[in-house]
Amino acid sequence: RKEVEQDPGPFNVPEGATVAFNCTYSNSASQSFFWYRQDCRKEPKLLMSVYSSGNEDGRFTAQLNRASQYISLLIRDSKLSDSATYLCVVRGSNFGNEKLTFGTGTRLTIIP
Amino acid sequence: NAGVTQTPKFRILKIGQSMTLQCTQDMNHNYMYWYRQDPGMGLKLIYYSVGAGITDKGEVPNGYNVSRSTTEDFPLRLELAAPSQTSVYFCASRPAGTASYEQYFGPGTRLTVT
Repeated sequence: RKEVEQDPGPFNVPEGATVAFNCTYSNSASQSFFWYRQDCRKEPKLLMSVYSSGNEDGRFTAQLNRASQYISLLIRDSKLSDSATYLCVVRGSNFGNEKLTFGTGTRLTIIP
Repeated sequence: NAGVTQTPKFRILKIGQSMTLQCTQDMNHNYMYWYRQDPGMGLKLIYYSVGAGITDKGEVPNGYNVSRSTTEDFPLRLELAAPSQTSVYFCASRPAGTASYEQYFGPGTRLTVT
């Protein structure tokens, strides 16, 4: 089983729609969770951290379910600029807590 | 602040050649990392450093070496390049003493070994 597993997509979604991605992780000792965004041929950038109680940042909502070991990202009222690959990232208990394990990403295209 | 800068942006190497990928950050971050990203795969940690003079292996260190003589610089050395090292290489950094663990990435180096 992969350490971090995501549906690769692609998700092709009309502008204004709501879209949700899920991600599962295998290491129950994982300590921190993130969603990064990566534009085509660019570097990853932090979109948001994911907290146990769930958190929201504008149109983006992230949730964590430790019991089921999954993380979700919800994007409401999607914009053309949301087109990107979304990386699920987990910080585990290896390498002195420095290791971030990246999922392979979910590709999202917003259609006008 | 320029953030994390990497040079070169692109490079083509022949099998068996060596090169150094440069990474510099001007944010005074203690922690620095090297990742590689292969098509359709997640980023894999090659090496990391928690401060000047200290380096540790990540998940895929074979074929690479690093050094950290200053806080700012964290070069990655490829000896005897192989086609399996064709990839996009990202350098990242983060400050110590923060709970966020956010890493700041450089723009990447696209390396092809033929």
